[in-house]
Amino acid sequence: GEQVEQRPPHLSVREGDSAFITCTYTDPNSYYFFWYKQEPGASLQLLMKVFSSTEINEGQGFTVLLNKKDKRLSLNLTAAHPGDSAAYFCAVSDGGSGNKLIFGTGTLLSVKP
Amino acid sequence: NAGVIQTPRHKVTGKGQEATLWCEPISGHSAVFWYRQTIVQGLEFLTYFRNQAPIDDSGMPKERFSAQMPNQSHSTLKIQSTQPQDSAVYLCASSLESGYEQYFGPGTRLTVL
Repeated sequence: GEQVEQRPPHLSVREGDSAFITCTYTDPNSYYFFWYKQEPGASLQLLMKVFSSTEINEGQGFTVLLNKKDKRLSLNLTAAHPGDSAAYFCAVSDGGSGNKLIFGTGTLLSVKP
Repeated sequence: NAGVIQTPRHKVTGKGQEATLWCEPISGHSAVFWYRQTIVQGLEFLTYFRNQAPIDDSGMPKERFSAQMPNQSHSTLKIQSTQPQDSAVYLCASSLESGYEQYFGPGTRLTVL
């Protein structure tokens, strides 16, 4: 089945720096890709969805890049601020059914003032 | 929109007792998912309903775990004879249709003593 590897597990940056998180997946049939943010003690907040026809998506303060050739999904938080400190998870839909999510192992981001 | 509602938020059981967790999906969403989150295993898929019908329970431990969706407004996850290794945060998510983005509830933190 699908396997998703996420790097790095921990990331510490200064306020104003960028933070780059990458996920690689194995199933070439995966079609839907998501990034979630989880603040301490809170649930998962959807940041961005990416579909197979989309290569770059820009959100508020971040950019998501999908490279289907390399089976790589990345999240770049530009000009990070302390409020971005949280755990970030990528998720890939099951290639067969397009339903259940397979999550990466998460990246714990700390943004220091 | 109230979002996905999960009750209780915290539950403590003794080893061998039963635990029932409740989820109310977002109104109008046809797909309901259950996931489990632990430090060691990360986020794991458990089971999934579409239009109240069970579609995929491939992540459910075969013994002691069961899930139902008796109507479109709630789903339950039941764990019989709870064991310490069942301690986790159980997350419920719903989506408009299969393959669309999933919105997560706040989770139920289950602690088995």
